[in-house]
Amino acid sequence: DQQVKQNSPSLSVQEGRISILNCDYTNSMFDYFLWYKKYPAEGPTFLISISSIKDKNEDGRFTVFLNKSAKHLSLHIVPSQPGDSAVYFCAASRSGGFKTIFGAGTRLFVKA
Amino acid sequence: DAGVIQSPRHEVTEMGQEVTLRCKPISGHNSLFWYRQTMMRGLELLIYFNNNVPIDDSGMPEDRFSAKMPNASFSTLKIQPSEPRDSAVYFCASSRGTGGEKLFFGSGTQLSVL
Repeated sequence: DQQVKQNSPSLSVQEGRISILNCDYTNSMFDYFLWYKKYPAEGPTFLISISSIKDKNEDGRFTVFLNKSAKHLSLHIVPSQPGDSAVYFCAASRSGGFKTIFGAGTRLFVKA
Repeated sequence: DAGVIQSPRHEVTEMGQEVTLRCKPISGHNSLFWYRQTMMRGLELLIYFNNNVPIDDSGMPEDRFSAKMPNASFSTLKIQPSEPRDSAVYFCASSRGTGGEKLFFGSGTQLSVL
């Protein structure tokens, strides 16, 4: 039972263009969503988050959008850079809860 | 400020052997999580502790897996006996609170069971 789904295993984008990574969730109790970035041979690192009371959060080149009615969130990277090439994990949790549930990840390739 | 420290970085063992993975969380963090990463399932939560107490171990795949946290600065994940299907990267993560906060991950242990 995958509560957080990332249906695209990989994505390839040209440098300078926009990268859009998508994530769907099934549990309506989730109220906090996060994106993590992972390079090879390293652990995931926190990138950006959004609370369910918002529909957008922006941090530099990274913006996360949340559509609660569709139980969908997306991460936009503009402009994409070769250093952004990594695996991106979507994650969800509940306030006061302990569990953070991760999706399977999307591997992003940014071509120079 | 040291991050989450895991050891060993790589472990190669034979089927049937006992494997122990170790984790030192960030000082002051009171929640600790063990995750397993595989190609098919991504990052699976195995177990998490709060204030050294196991809160939920429903993600532990079988009785062959066990985890302990004897104090605030150390945790182990043990597999006995190990099987080839246990081969994966195992991550330890810690956080400050009881949930919802961002997690800080270690570099992981790459386990290969032959």
